[in-house]
Amino acid sequence: SSELTQDPVVSVALGQTVTITCLGDSLRTYYATWYQQRPGQAPVLVIFGRNNRPSGIPGRFSGSTSGNTASLTITGAQAEDEADYYCSSRDSSGNLFGGGTKLTVL
Amino acid sequence: QVQLQESDPGLVKPSETLSLICTVSDDSISGYYWSWIRQPPGKGLEWIGHIYYSGSTNYNPSLKSRVTLSVDTSKNQVFLKLTSVTAADTAVYYCARSLQNSLLDKYQIMFYYYMDVWGTGTTVTVSS
Repeated sequence: SSELTQDPVVSVALGQTVTITCLGDSLRTYYATWYQQRPGQAPVLVIFGRNNRPSGIPGRFSGSTSGNTASLTITGAQAEDEADYYCSSRDSSGNLFGGGTKLTVL
Repeated sequence: QVQLQESDPGLVKPSETLSLICTVSDDSISGYYWSWIRQPPGKGLEWIGHIYYSGSTNYNPSLKSRVTLSVDTSKNQVFLKLTSVTAADTAVYYCARSLQNSLLDKYQIMFYYYMDVWGTGTTVTVSS
């Protein structure tokens, strides 16, 4: 079955740019969707489609895809961006989640 | 602003059936997929399955033999039943509104699927 692979931990200095990646064969056919989850809270949609942000998501969040790799970029990371980030995509069986990336803002 | 609220079954005994209800407020369930997702303590997200408002379903292959999703459009509710639960089914369970779409990107049709509204989640513990 398909899988989505994420780095477990990523850190970024306050105000700097960070990219979180997601690898998977399904990403050649399906755009990745990205969710942010703060401790004790439900996930929140941050990027969907080619590079769409829901209302209320800051413009510093952006997404891209190349081949089997999807990326979530935060340009000018803020303290409130410290959270777990999950990529997700459909595949032939249903829907997949990556294992999640814990982002630390230093 | 649509809101989703999962029911609270609390403690479920091993081998029994977990039943959850997702109540949708301030919008109709028509026209959307409705997903269930769970998250074991300290672990990542796992998609359980989704149901279209018309009743068609798609399940995670790893849970398919034990899961049934259904809808009641008159009550704006979505239902999850998970049979023969074990301690491994202990998790926070979320329902989420789901959509899918596609677009032509250069020379390829790309699809996308996303969950744009989530419930707050309900903690389910499987224990005797």
